[in-house]
Amino acid sequence: EVQLVESGGGLVQPGGSLRLSCAASGFTFSSYNMNWVRQAPGKGLEWVSYISSSSSAIYYADSVKGRFTISRDNAKNSLYLQMNSLRDEDTAVYYCATGGGYGSSPNWGQGSLVTVSS
Amino acid sequence: DIQMTQSPSSLSASVGDRVTITCRASQSISIFLNWYQQKPGKAPKLLIYAASNLQSGVPSRFSGSGSGTDFTLTISSLQPEDFATYYCQQSYSAPYTFGQGTKLEIK
Repeated sequence: EVQLVESGGGLVQPGGSLRLSCAASGFTFSSYNMNWVRQAPGKGLEWVSYISSSSSAIYYADSVKGRFTISRDNAKNSLYLQMNSLRDEDTAVYYCATGGGYGSSPNWGQGSLVTVSS
Repeated sequence: DIQMTQSPSSLSASVGDRVTITCRASQSISIFLNWYQQKPGKAPKLLIYAASNLQSGVPSRFSGSGSGTDFTLTISSLQPEDFATYYCQQSYSAPYTFGQGTKLEIK
């Protein structure tokens, strides 16, 4: 069974940093592209970042470009999101999701809440 | 960036109704269009990928169609568990934008 478990969320002050992790199991992690998607309280889904299976291709939403860094460690079956210079508007539940056919995301974690507030 | 516009933003319907949700892309995205269902407090669930392909385990009352810029999600006969928020997403080119969502409520 595919499992994705996010961790690392919490309360951080504006301008601070946080690193999210996503532990994958139940599938060959190294063969799959991965995404981070977030959802602010009461709002819709916002795609954040993508990384290919070999880390050769990486993309970001304009809203996080230059502040967030996606990475992965295929030996540890783990995906990461380093978030720097955090802003109030980065407050959201952050989901990791697998890449599927035609760029879809068939498997999602339960989410990790990041709250940016002073 | 490609903008995705869903309509309507909200919809009231009854059990057994046929419901259609529309998603329009600001430029052609071929068939790189996915549909997700989300219930409160839960992660999104993939329903349809590549515009018309039913994800494994998803009931056949869900269907998708379209190509280019115009797409639809149809639920043929609403069931109580279908009341949720639905999102389209383009996976043609990064940033892989979502529509704003359509909240489907019980009439």
